[in-house]
Amino acid sequence: EVQLVESGGGLVQPGGSLRLSCAAAGFTFSDHYMDWVRQAPGKGLEWVGRIRDKAHSYTTEYAASVTGRFTISRDDSRTSMYLQMNSLKSEDAAVYFCTRVRATTYYGSYSDYWGQGTLVTVSS
Amino acid sequence: DIQLTQSPSFLSASLGDRVTITCRPSQGISSYLAWYQQKPGKAPNLLIYAASTLQSGVPSRFSGSGSGTEFTLTITSLQPEDFATYYCQQHKSYPFTFGQGTRLEIK
Repeated sequence: EVQLVESGGGLVQPGGSLRLSCAAAGFTFSDHYMDWVRQAPGKGLEWVGRIRDKAHSYTTEYAASVTGRFTISRDDSRTSMYLQMNSLKSEDAAVYFCTRVRATTYYGSYSDYWGQGTLVTVSS
Repeated sequence: DIQLTQSPSFLSASLGDRVTITCRPSQGISSYLAWYQQKPGKAPNLLIYAASTLQSGVPSRFSGSGSGTEFTLTITSLQPEDFATYYCQQHKSYPFTFGQGTRLEIK
């Protein structure tokens, strides 16, 4: 059974930093791209970014709203992904979900499993 | 960025009804579209990928169609567990944008 468990959320002041973790189990983590998606309270979903697998040099993609402030990394030996968030703003407050990506030749790449999310609150 | 416009934003329907939700990208995305269902306080759940392929384990009353700049999610014979919010997402080009969501409620 695929399991994704996020942790590391909490209250942080504007301008502060936070590191989220996503622990994966039940599949070959190293074979998959992984995404972060967030959802502000009462709002819709926003794609945050992606990290590819070792075969694709662990390259990353980011939404414009977080580029230069957020960094996605992974540790395949620990089957974990991370989101380092710096210079946090009030608009970054959200539930952050990690997702497993299924990358296919003909169907593109999409999120097929999601964790339950971790809440980040940005407030003074 | 590719913008996705879902309609309607809110839908009220009865048990047993057939409903359709539309998603229109601001530019053509071939068939690179997924549909997700989200219930309050829960993570989204993948329903459809590649516009029309049903994810394993998803009931057959859900179906997707379309390509390019117009897509639809259809739910036939609404069940109590189907009342939720539905999102489309394009996975044609970065950033992988979502529609604003369609909230489906019981009439």
